[in-house]
Amino acid sequence: AQSVSQHNHHVILSEAASLELGCNYSYGGTVNLFWYVQYPGQHLQLLLKYFSGDPLVKGIKGFEAEFIKSKFSFNLRKPSVQWSDTAEYFCAVAGRNRDDKIIFGKGTRLHILP
Amino acid sequence: DAMVIQNPRYQVTQFGKPVTLSCSQTLNHNVMYWYQQKSSQAPKLLFHYYDKDFNNEADTPDNFQSRRPNTSFCFLDIRSPGLGDAAMYLCATSLHGQGYEKLFFGSGTQLSVL
Repeated sequence: AQSVSQHNHHVILSEAASLELGCNYSYGGTVNLFWYVQYPGQHLQLLLKYFSGDPLVKGIKGFEAEFIKSKFSFNLRKPSVQWSDTAEYFCAVAGRNRDDKIIFGKGTRLHILP
Repeated sequence: DAMVIQNPRYQVTQFGKPVTLSCSQTLNHNVMYWYQQKSSQAPKLLFHYYDKDFNNEADTPDNFQSRRPNTSFCFLDIRSPGLGDAAMYLCATSLHGQGYEKLFFGSGTQLSVL
């Protein structure tokens, strides 16, 4: 079955700490991978995505993610977090065809202490 | 500028009383989606429209219906809300519905059922 697993439900870090949020997926075939973010009181928005090519993808606000095909993983990283990174982060996977719907993980709530 | 707009932001209804949630978009996208998101769970796709073609997910209860009278608007109708239908309902759009495309989300409608 197609699924996305996010390892941590709730993460608390201090400012300037390094961040890594885990994401593993189960999906037959070629995939597109996404991280979406939802800041407090705002809508879900795309942080970054992997479609093809370089498995290390850079997104907005200094975030990056690495696609490791052999591990079915797409972990999100940031070397030094800021208080403004407090948000909920969702990993997602989709196939390449029009009828392939995006599947979301349960999300990770990230709380940055000032 | 909001591109996917959901109204209302909060909706309270009574058990069994029909309720309609609305979504509009200024992006002129072909595809509109409705997701249900319960606390600490992944957003779950209920159905989507590709233009006027309605696509229901297999496990979406019959209690949930949708209408798309034109490109810009899409409605979610819950015919007889139960306590288990209390959730955040998210509307999203994409240009062609391809798996690699970015989804544009509204801010959601938080539905409470009394």
